[in-house]
Amino acid sequence: LAKTTQPISMDSYEGQEVNITCSHNNIATNDYITWYQQFPSQGPRFIIQGYKTKVTNEVASLFIPADRKSSTLSLPRVSLSDTAVYYCLVPSWGNTGKLIFGQGTTLQVKP
Amino acid sequence: SAVISQKPSRDICQRGTSLTIQCQVDSQVTMMFWYRQQPGQSLTLIATANQGSEATYESGFVIDKFPISRPNLTFSTLTVSNMSPEDSSIYLCSVGDRDTGELFFGEGSRLTVL
Repeated sequence: LAKTTQPISMDSYEGQEVNITCSHNNIATNDYITWYQQFPSQGPRFIIQGYKTKVTNEVASLFIPADRKSSTLSLPRVSLSDTAVYYCLVPSWGNTGKLIFGQGTTLQVKP
Repeated sequence: SAVISQKPSRDICQRGTSLTIQCQVDSQVTMMFWYRQQPGQSLTLIATANQGSEATYESGFVIDKFPISRPNLTFSTLTVSNMSPEDSSIYLCSVGDRDTGELFFGEGSRLTVL
């Protein structure tokens, strides 16, 4: 399972774009990159997944460079409700399917 | 997608007792996992609940302390045995979708041991 490293915390203000970068140097050829969001007192929620280049959905964008050793989750125009912990994961579904969570990034959005 | 229901949502227990947490999924799933999240911490995988066979435990977790049942493809239980205050955590059930790569979580069971 690829180990991930991401900042422990980030602060932002409402209306700003937030970029959270995750490094996964030993990502395998078949691995996807997945991001989850967790609000207090809730289980994590899937946000976005990608393999290479760029993926965009209604919540976020995910940028993955050609070497795939890192990825950046981009949240456009954050609001107070985006305050949460964001986890970057690289699941190896070919083996057991289990996900190992790192520390995550605690994003605090201020008014 | 999958909808996961956990019971109880929270409980306060006495030291030395055991509590069983139930996880019900609205569809048949192959992969089911149990996680623990201690206060202010990330999620730690306890075990993979295998249907029809014993659970596969992660390092640091043993069957005697966290017995798991998986009688069918939609249900599992996790028992926290002989509880101590250090077992106070949120316990989360999750299921995986191998086709999409998504992992779905229940709301968790918040356990406080006095």
